[in-house]
Amino acid sequence: EDQVTQSPEALRLQEGESSSLNCSYTVSGLRGLFWYRQDPGKGPEFLFTLYSAGEEKEKERLKATLTKKESFLHITAPKPEDSATYLCAVQARGTDKLIFGTGTRLQVFP
Amino acid sequence: NAGVMQNPRHLVRRRGQEARLRCSPMKGHSHVYWYRQLPEEGLKFMVYLQKENIIDESGMPKERFSAEFPKEGPSILRIQQVVRGDSAAYFCASSPTGYNTGELFFGEGSRLTVL
Repeated sequence: EDQVTQSPEALRLQEGESSSLNCSYTVSGLRGLFWYRQDPGKGPEFLFTLYSAGEEKEKERLKATLTKKESFLHITAPKPEDSATYLCAVQARGTDKLIFGTGTRLQVFP
Repeated sequence: NAGVMQNPRHLVRRRGQEARLRCSPMKGHSHVYWYRQLPEEGLKFMVYLQKENIIDESGMPKERFSAEFPKEGPSILRIQQVVRGDSAAYFCASSPTGYNTGELFFGEGSRLTVL
């Protein structure tokens, strides 16, 4: 069964304290792995798509990496506005639906 | 350039009533997806529709739930005879193509509370 597990469930960081979020997955043929950001009371907002092991994508203070079993979202020198829940999802080949993890709730304090 | 519009944002129903949730996709998007988010759980796929067609409804409960995306007008997710377990946030997402890159554009959700 296709599955996504994210860790930690929650993460508290001081402003400027870099860290990484983990997304472990099992899927029957990976078509793509995706990261989304969700603010309280809002819908998810797309961040990155990764297709193959070794691929990396960057956007401002965020960098996403992918291996055959997991993905990391690295946050460098975070700011309070980076506080949100970060969701990881996978899409299996031959399907159009995303399988989401339960997310990592990030809080960045000034 | 309006994003995905969902309404109502909040809906309260008593057990046994019907709930209708509406979703207007982004302009130019003809593919609509519905996801449900239960408290403390991840987003769960429910159904994928194109105009006038249901493409994949493998995530929809077999009873009480239905979805449509007519030629004109918004997509509608309909829940008949609601029960307390239906309380959740229902998110609609759209994309311009079916073979999407995973870049779904989500609405802000409709939060259903069943009393």
